[in-house]
Amino acid sequence: AQSVTQLDSHVSVSEGTPVLLRCNYSSSYSPSLFWYVQHPNKGLQLLLKYTSAATLVKGINGFEAEFKKSETSFHLTKPSAHMSDAAEYFCVVSEGEYGNKLVFGAGTILRVKS
Amino acid sequence: ETGVTQSPTHLIKTRGQQVTLRCSSQSGHNTVSWYQQALGQGPQFIFQYYREEENGRGNFPPRFSGLQFPNYSSELNVNALELDDSALYLCASSRPQGALLSTDTQYFGPGTRLTVL
Repeated sequence: AQSVTQLDSHVSVSEGTPVLLRCNYSSSYSPSLFWYVQHPNKGLQLLLKYTSAATLVKGINGFEAEFKKSETSFHLTKPSAHMSDAAEYFCVVSEGEYGNKLVFGAGTILRVKS
Repeated sequence: ETGVTQSPTHLIKTRGQQVTLRCSSQSGHNTVSWYQQALGQGPQFIFQYYREEENGRGNFPPRFSGLQFPNYSSELNVNALELDDSALYLCASSRPQGALLSTDTQYFGPGTRLTVL
């Protein structure tokens, strides 16, 4: 079965500094990987997805992630944090054997300090 | 293009009661998935419907059941509510783009917050 481990439950950065949210995955075959963001009292919004094309994936709002098979990692980065980036971020792997079941990590809460 | 909508927004029930949550999928999407998000946790997969048939189920008991209608909207029913059923219930819709369903993007609704007292 697929699984995802988000290595940090909380990350705090200053506005204008880089963001790194770490994610490791476990998959028995070539996975599809996603990052979703959830703002307080809002639904989940897709930031980006990897589906075995380019290993460096660019998403919305300046976020990007790199798929590293040798390290089984899919870390999310952004060069410069903005106050509006404060939210909870979920790394997600898709189990596609019998459909499209998403397996979520526990989430990383990003705090951005002014 | 209308996104995924869910109703109601909030719901309060007592233990032992039954509840029905509703979801309208995004235009053109024929697949609906339901997830349960307990406080402080990531969402957990409940089940998925594709063209009105159940197409995968997570580790939830049979008192969690669902339906998908010809217009691809969906219901989640929970019988004999327990305190631990208190959570945010999320619906997501998608449309198969190719042979691999795992590559499809799921678009989420805002959720229904269920409180069981």
